[in-house]
Amino acid sequence: AQSVTQLDSHVSVSEGTPVLLRCNYSSSYSPSLFWYVQHPNKGLQLLLKYTSAATLVKGINGFEAEFKKSETSFHLTKPSAHMSDAAEYFCVVSDLTGANNLFFGTGTRLTVIP
Amino acid sequence: NAGVMQNPRHLVRRRGQEARLRCSPMKGHSHVYWYRQLPEEGLKFMVYLQKENIIDESGMPKERFSAEFPKEGPSILRIQQVVRGDSAAYFCASSPESNYGYTFGSGTRLTVV
Repeated sequence: AQSVTQLDSHVSVSEGTPVLLRCNYSSSYSPSLFWYVQHPNKGLQLLLKYTSAATLVKGINGFEAEFKKSETSFHLTKPSAHMSDAAEYFCVVSDLTGANNLFFGTGTRLTVIP
Repeated sequence: NAGVMQNPRHLVRRRGQEARLRCSPMKGHSHVYWYRQLPEEGLKFMVYLQKENIIDESGMPKERFSAEFPKEGPSILRIQQVVRGDSAAYFCASSPESNYGYTFGSGTRLTVV
């Protein structure tokens, strides 16, 4: 079975400081992992995805994530937060060999303080 | 390419009425997925459809909910006799083939009063 745990429901950082959003996953198979961002009253936008290629994945808007199999983690980072990064972030796991659906974490709300 | 189009963006229904949510996938995408997001929660899978076929409906409530993706036209998620607990954001995603990568729509926010 697949599942995702986002360790922090809220993260608050100052503008210009690094961002770390934590995610641990559980998967019976080789997982695909994604990070999505959702701005208020908007749809979901894909930030980046890992599908068994390079373990360090670069996404849009300066975000990146590192797949660490030994730690079953896929934390999202950004060196310097921008005000426009304030949003809800979802870590997602998909099983390429199983059912055709995504398993979402409960989300981390990022606040950026000016 | 207009992306995944969902309408309406907002829908208000009284208890007992029917709600119909529409999703037009991206051009060239024949796979459609519906997800529900309850307040303060992540999205949860409901149903996966290909043209004229339901492939996986393991996330659909057993009663009152149905989905279709006809040969022509958008995919429809239908909720009969809505209750307050159905209030949520319903997102549709599409992909050109299974497990390829999803594009999400902006969602339909259903409020049951």
